[in-house]
Amino acid sequence: DTGVSQDPRHKITKRGQNVTFRCDPISEHNRLYWYRQTLGQGPEFLTYFQNEAQLEKSRLLSDRFSAERPKGSFSTLEIQRTEQGDSAMYLCASSDAFQGRHEQYFGPGTRLTVT
Amino acid sequence: QKEVEQDPGPLSVPEGAIVSLNCTYSNSAFQYFMWYRQYSRKGPELLMYTYSSGNKEDGRFTAQVDKSSKYISLFIRDSQPSDSATYLCAMSGATNKLIFGTGTLLAVQP
Repeated sequence: DTGVSQDPRHKITKRGQNVTFRCDPISEHNRLYWYRQTLGQGPEFLTYFQNEAQLEKSRLLSDRFSAERPKGSFSTLEIQRTEQGDSAMYLCASSDAFQGRHEQYFGPGTRLTVT
Repeated sequence: QKEVEQDPGPLSVPEGAIVSLNCTYSNSAFQYFMWYRQYSRKGPELLMYTYSSGNKEDGRFTAQVDKSSKYISLFIRDSQPSDSATYLCAMSGATNKLIFGTGTLLAVQP
């Protein structure tokens, strides 16, 4: 069990560009979550998957954001036409709902800077 | 009003002190409560998980949940400089999405 991994760890992009982040959950965890954290704030929920199904999306997830988990394993989060307000830490977490566990384990995050 | 309120600090204590961190919440549907530790520019690390009301102890850490008062606490005994970090409370109901406090910045002075 190597924990949740995220790639890249840091991304710098220019306004208007598209970016994609990847998350690999703890193996056999069937739930995967995306959160966004800005400086001085706690993480805010964006969306979550159970296996490959996207079950809930926050109103924070505008139509420029899309997330997928095609085979129920890793997930990608894409931001199109990035804006400076998208600069934040994007966190991925996973949990084991099969065992009725609600603890979420987080990855190291991807820090996005939009210039 | 935020669903979860947490004093942002900063909180500065001497090494060896007992630290008390707290959160209040307004949503009575919350039933799963967690505390995370986050070092600067790192992801949150799960410290404690509690279901419903009660106490849970793990080493130097004790988590308390009082659902009647909508109040949760984390106590750190014999605090160490390595405990210096931001502590985040988080909670969820049936939807599983975590609602976080803003975090309390703790500094343990050697």
